[in-house]
Amino acid sequence: QVQLQESGPGLVKPSETLSLTCAVSGYSISSGYYWGWIRQPPGKGLEWIGSIYHSGSTYYNPSLKSRVTISVDTSKNQFSLKLSSVTAADTAVYYCARDDKFGAAALDYWGQGTLVTVSS
Amino acid sequence: EIVLTQSPGTLSLSPGERATLSCRASQSVSSSYLAWYQQKPGQAPRLLIYGASSRATGIPDRFSGSGSGTDFTLTISRLEPEDFAVYYCQQYGSSPQITFGQGTRLEIK
Repeated sequence: QVQLQESGPGLVKPSETLSLTCAVSGYSISSGYYWGWIRQPPGKGLEWIGSIYHSGSTYYNPSLKSRVTISVDTSKNQFSLKLSSVTAADTAVYYCARDDKFGAAALDYWGQGTLVTVSS
Repeated sequence: EIVLTQSPGTLSLSPGERATLSCRASQSVSSSYLAWYQQKPGQAPRLLIYGASSRATGIPDRFSGSGSGTDFTLTISRLEPEDFAVYYCQQYGSSPQITFGQGTRLEIK
């Protein structure tokens, strides 16, 4: 069974960089699929941030692209998100998910999510 | 950018009733690229339907999806107590490649 687990600081100061990692178990990232990040501000809807392939190929939401970097570490079977210059508007639950871009065209496995609050 | 608009915003029904949720796209979406998710409070979304009408693994057959072009529907044939949640549609398409609708809250009447 594919499982994903997000980790990282729960509090980030304004103007700093948010950094999160998603550890994958039950499936080798190197075997395929894209792997993505999605966020959900408190009480609001879902926003896709971007996705990465094991080769390092990425695609991002244009509205966040200038501030986002997604990377992958196949040796640790994990991928990471960096979001720079954060503001209070970036406060959200951040989810990682498997992005079946070329199959079901859907996000079929999700982590439980981690709340990141941007505040001084 | 393709915008997905879900209706109604809130749907109040009783267990045993039939639920019909709508997702309308601002431009035509390939049926292959339309999915539905269920989200309960404090939980991650769960994939229900992909390719507009294919049920994901382990999803009960009371959930069904249909539609094409710009109009898509999620139907729950007979509501169970555990079905009361928020439902999102999602499309793969042109930039941004993945977008979600704003959600429909299905609440107990």
